[in-house]
Amino acid sequence: GQQVMQIPQYQHVQEGEDFTTYCNSSTTLSNIQWYKQRPGGHPVFLIQLVKSGEVKKQKRLTFQFGEAKKNSSLHITATQTTDVGTYFCAGRPPGATGTASKLTFGTGTRLQVTL
Amino acid sequence: EAGVTQFPSHSVIEKGQTVTLRCDPISGHDNLYWYRRVMGKEIKFLLHFVKESKQDESGMPNNRFLAERTGGTYSTLKVQPAELEDSGVYFCASSAHSRPTKNIQYFGAGTRLSVL
Repeated sequence: GQQVMQIPQYQHVQEGEDFTTYCNSSTTLSNIQWYKQRPGGHPVFLIQLVKSGEVKKQKRLTFQFGEAKKNSSLHITATQTTDVGTYFCAGRPPGATGTASKLTFGTGTRLQVTL
Repeated sequence: EAGVTQFPSHSVIEKGQTVTLRCDPISGHDNLYWYRRVMGKEIKFLLHFVKESKQDESGMPNNRFLAERTGGTYSTLKVQPAELEDSGVYFCASSAHSRPTKNIQYFGAGTRLSVL
């Protein structure tokens, strides 16, 4: 079945440093979504990428979808303590465009930010 | 607008007992999903309802798990009898069928299930 891996599993940075998490799927995805889960919280939707090579920005966050639609990345510039949490990518299978379907979540990257 | 609500927030039961989790999706959302996160691992899909129908139940681990969504509103997930490996956080999510938030899944706060 489809597998989605993320690296690194954990990263500890000092406030102000940059952070990147990478997401790789074993199969092509129709689209990819990114979620953030704060400690003790629930996944909160951040963004959805649909097109091959797509890049989207949200303030200090930059999201990229690979040309082959099998990988994605999330880059945070100048991290802040409010960025602490686990970042998950979640893919939807081919053919799911326009239809509702399950998400296959990545293994997640836990980010710790200290002053 | 109320978000996805789940009840209870935490349940502690003994092995062999029965537990029922409830999820109230965002009003008007036809799609309802159940996911589970076992300690430290990824969030795994359990099943997907479209209104009252089971669209995809490929993630249900075994026949000890029963999900229902009578009337196409709230959903329940029953575990009977519970086993130790069922412990984890059970998340419910819902999504709309139409734009502008089509297919974006909104998650509830989850139910933390501890089987002793």
